[in-house]
Amino acid sequence: QSVLAQPPSVSGAPGQRVTISCTGSSSNIGAGFPVHWYQQLPGTAPKLLISGNNNRPSGVPDRFSGSRSGTSASLAITGLQAEDEADYYCQSWDRSLNGFWVFGGGTKLTVL
Amino acid sequence: QGQLVQSGGEVTKPGASVKVSCKASGYIFTHYGISWVRQAPGQGLEWMGWISGYNGKTNSAQKFQGRVIMTTDTSTSTAYMELRSLRSDDTAVYYCARDLLEWDVVLNGYTNWFDPWGQGTLVTVSA
Repeated sequence: QSVLAQPPSVSGAPGQRVTISCTGSSSNIGAGFPVHWYQQLPGTAPKLLISGNNNRPSGVPDRFSGSRSGTSASLAITGLQAEDEADYYCQSWDRSLNGFWVFGGGTKLTVL
Repeated sequence: QGQLVQSGGEVTKPGASVKVSCKASGYIFTHYGISWVRQAPGQGLEWMGWISGYNGKTNSAQKFQGRVIMTTDTSTSTAYMELRSLRSDDTAVYYCARDLLEWDVVLNGYTNWFDPWGQGTLVTVSA
């Protein structure tokens, strides 16, 4: 069971908007640690999609955006495209124990 | 920008060890750390530990303490991850990722992200 909770799957039709939630606790997201998002296309390594809650690296379309509130964060994808079909993971730091990086369990996005 | 290239896949037996390499290029190796993340078949991402490229300091997830050894060779800008006493449930793709190791003194923790990632190394543990 992952420290950060994500829905196992979401889906949407081309052109639609979807959101993926990432729920943590007072020792990670709720403590103020930023949330980062990664996209993993089938058979490839994860790729940074959003850093520091809502910052897009160069080359990432502005259809992708992130937000954080309280103990949760969200990734929104607008104007859904077929090539967005992938697994999405959130990540943050957890300061319990000696501190460690934590990931969400991942969300499979299906473009209908 | 930076690029990480990992060693090839390995097939090994339970109880043995495996050592995966991760060669960095395109950035100053000693200015960053390297984190190791694994992904079991059909599963999510699991952070294993990090090593500083500057001074070799390491930190690992409690689950792997005593079983994982992370090292670096700054002369070749290469990081290594050795996992010992392998079990069948260690079968996974192992990734290295550049880790800025940016400590926030107010939050008392790390705030950076992982970028870029290596291509992954499949380690298969089977009798």
